Amino acid sequence: AQRVTQPEKLLSVFKGAPVELKCNYSYSGSPELFWYVQYSRQRLQLLLRHISRESIKGFTADLNKGETSFHLKKPFAQEEDSAMYYCALKAPKLSEKLTFGTGTRLTIIP
Amino acid sequence: DSGVTQTPKHLITATGQRVTLRCSPRSGDLSVYWYQQSLDQGLQFLIQYYNGEERAKGNILERFSAQQFPDLHSELNLSSLELGDSALYFCASSADSRGSPLHFGNGTRLTVT
Repeated sequence: AQRVTQPEKLLSVFKGAPVELKCNYSYSGSPELFWYVQYSRQRLQLLLRHISRESIKGFTADLNKGETSFHLKKPFAQEEDSAMYYCALKAPKLSEKLTFGTGTRLTIIP
Repeated sequence: DSGVTQTPKHLITATGQRVTLRCSPRSGDLSVYWYQQSLDQGLQFLIQYYNGEERAKGNILERFSAQQFPDLHSELNLSSLELGDSALYFCASSADSRGSPLHFGNGTRLTVT
């Protein structure tokens, strides 16, 4: 069965410093990976997906199949990045559901 | 707002009772997903419906059931409630049956006392 691990429950970073939110997964096939974000008092929303290879709000994530990781990175943190971040995996040939990690709460220190 | 709507926002009930959570998907979306988020747990997938039919099932208890109606809204029924059922229940919708991207509602917070 697929599994998503986010080892850090809490992460605090100074404004302007680089950010890396870790995500590791277990799945033997070719997964689709996503990052979802929930800002304060807002609903959970898609941040980015690996197949799009895009940068959203300065964030990027690269799928590393060798390390089975999909870490979320941003070179310079901004205060508005404070939020709850969830990594999610879809195993296309097994199911259409998304399997989520337990989330990391990112706090940007001014 | 034509986003995903969940009602009620909060629900407090006693053990042994039964509740119904309601979800209206985003306009045009055919798939509805239910997730449970307990303390210290990630989002646990419960069940998915697509255009009225059950599509995928996760770790959903037998005490729980769901359905999607012809107008595409969905209901999650939780019965014989236990203290451990206290959680945030999220509904999400997507345009197709392949599930991405998901658009989430604000959730219903259920407290069982």
